Amino acid sequence: GENVEQHPSTLSVQEGDSAVIKCTYSDSASNYFPWYKQELGKGPQLIIDIRSNVGEKKDQRIAVTLNKTAKHFSLHITETQPEDSAVYFCAPSQGGFKTIFGAGTRLFVKA
Amino acid sequence: DADVTQTPRNRITKTGKRIMLECSQTKGHDRMYWYRQDPGLGLRLIYYSFDVKDINKGEISDGYSVSRQAQAKFSLSLESAIPNQTALYFCAVGSGANVLTFGAGSRLTVL
Repeated sequence: GENVEQHPSTLSVQEGDSAVIKCTYSDSASNYFPWYKQELGKGPQLIIDIRSNVGEKKDQRIAVTLNKTAKHFSLHITETQPEDSAVYFCAPSQGGFKTIFGAGTRLFVKA
Repeated sequence: DADVTQTPRNRITKTGKRIMLECSQTKGHDRMYWYRQDPGLGLRLIYYSFDVKDINKGEISDGYSVSRQAQAKFSLSLESAIPNQTALYFCAVGSGANVLTFGAGSRLTVL
């Protein structure tokens, strides 16, 4: 089965700095690579995703990059703001729809 | 109305009691999931269902059972609750490549 690892587990940045979270997966058949954000007291919510035929995708201050050869993908947040403070999860999957989540990265943005 | 509704939101029970957590969705999608969240362990898949007649075990199905009563309803049961099942439980609905929409969560405490 899929083995998913996220690094770092905790990340603290100053407001305005960039944050990068990396997700490593084991299943070479994975073809869908999403990132979820979980705010306190809420369920996770999809913030950005990428398919295996694309290397990078950007949506305003967030971006996802994929390296299929090395089997990892990363979440990039630029110009961080206090409201970016949350737990972020990666959840790579392949067409079988059995989605396994990474352990999460807690991001703190200090004002 | 929320797309994915979980009830109850909070429940305190005693060891050995039977507990049912319910999930309903208004999105009309076939794929439904139950996840458990513990601090530092991310989201672990308990069971998932691709339609009314399809039930699949996830990573941690022991001690749990599910019922897909209709396309819109997917319930999780703990036949005899134990303290290490104290956790936050999330229901999710899958669509497209595998975009998951989560409910707000059900916090269960087993004394």
